[in-house]
Amino acid sequence: AQSVTQPDIHITVSEGASLELRCNYSYGATPYLFWYVQSPGQGLQLLLKYFSGDTLVQGIKGFEAEFKRSQSSFNLRKPSVHWSDAAEYFCAVGAGNNRKLIWGLGTSLAVNP
Amino acid sequence: EAQVTQNPRYLITVTGKKLTVTCSQNMNHEYMSWYRQDPGLGLRQIYYSMNVEVTDKGDVPEGYKVSRKEKRNFPLILESPSPNQTSLYFCASSLAANSPLHFGNGTRLTVT
Repeated sequence: AQSVTQPDIHITVSEGASLELRCNYSYGATPYLFWYVQSPGQGLQLLLKYFSGDTLVQGIKGFEAEFKRSQSSFNLRKPSVHWSDAAEYFCAVGAGNNRKLIWGLGTSLAVNP
Repeated sequence: EAQVTQNPRYLITVTGKKLTVTCSQNMNHEYMSWYRQDPGLGLRQIYYSMNVEVTDKGDVPEGYKVSRKEKRNFPLILESPSPNQTSLYFCASSLAANSPLHFGNGTRLTVT
């Protein structure tokens, strides 16, 4: 069955430190891949997406993600975290003919000053 | 400004009292969807609509109804709410089913 796993439920980093949030998926073909961010009290906002082409994609707010087919992963990275990055991060995979979205359970990011 | 607008933001009601959560988008999007978000369960799709007059069940449709009479509006209807429908609800829209979603700010529903 198709699935998305975000292994880290909660991560705490210090401001200025680098960040990597993990996302692994299970899907037979090349999926569409997304990362969304949810700030407290807000809806979800698209950070970046991968449909095809260059496997390293750039997004908003200084985030990037790399699609690794061999590892079925789409990890999100940021070289230097800001306090305003504290939020919930969701990985989603578009699968099937209608590209139904399958969501990970999210990773909560806390940033220490 | 391009946006998805949900109303109300907060709603407290009692078991069995019918309610409607409205959702409107101004981006001329074909695809709209409702999700509920619960701790530990992530986002679960309730219903979606590929276009006007076309709706389909998501993963957790029981106890909910939707309609899509116009492209911009996609209300969520709870005919007889129950406490297990207490949740945070999000409406979202996109150009097509495989396009990035635009989310509303959410409706926090409490059913007592």
